[in-house]
Amino acid sequence: QSALTQPPSASGSPGQSVTISCTGTSSDVGHYNYVSWYQQHPGKAPKLLIFEVSKRPSGVPDRFSGSKSGNTASLTVSGLQAEDEADYYCGSYLVNNRYVFGTGTKVTV
Amino acid sequence: DVQLVESGGGLVQPGGSMRLSCGASGFKFSDHYMDWVRQAPGKGLEWLGRIRMKIYSYTTEYAASVKGRFIISRDDSKDSLYLQMNSLETEDTAVYYCVRAGEGATLDYWGQGALVTVSS
Repeated sequence: QSALTQPPSASGSPGQSVTISCTGTSSDVGHYNYVSWYQQHPGKAPKLLIFEVSKRPSGVPDRFSGSKSGNTASLTVSGLQAEDEADYYCGSYLVNNRYVFGTGTKVTV
Repeated sequence: DVQLVESGGGLVQPGGSMRLSCGASGFKFSDHYMDWVRQAPGKGLEWLGRIRMKIYSYTTEYAASVKGRFIISRDDSKDSLYLQMNSLETEDTAVYYCVRAGEGATLDYWGQGALVTVSS
């Protein structure tokens, strides 16, 4: 199973918005609404940001939003803040009961 | 609070074996699928495998890259998850994370990670 495709990097100024894409296939992103997004700061464990395409766990600011169209999911970070500078990974459940991550995107603020 | 704490990492020679453990607290461990994920130095996340609950006969799934070499098990009486790694290769050098699978097939809580270094 190949990793989902994300852009290597994205950037924005404080207060701006940035959108990260996550492209898969009809066997993963396009098949289920089980796409998640994870944030990872250097030297830290990943943290869940978004699950089931667009749901936020409690405690995650509403500046983070997710969507999906066909085989591509997207994460938008609005009102960028300095602490949003991190690596972001998408993840998706697969038709064969496995899981796959995206290639990761480094966001610079 | 949900806590996952990995242990057992360290240095191992190529071809060797190592067993990682993960202690869980703050939730009903036996009610959750549990996964292992790793991250090689400077690289992205790689899903390794999953173990289901007792009602699903503790069945497992593995990534193709580790199937036949790695074995995931659990002991619900000890709230513990395990990863037995055999025939280790230098490419297996990574931080290994113990992860809880939550609703919507997501990975909702992560341990702090255990570093495994495969080198002679």
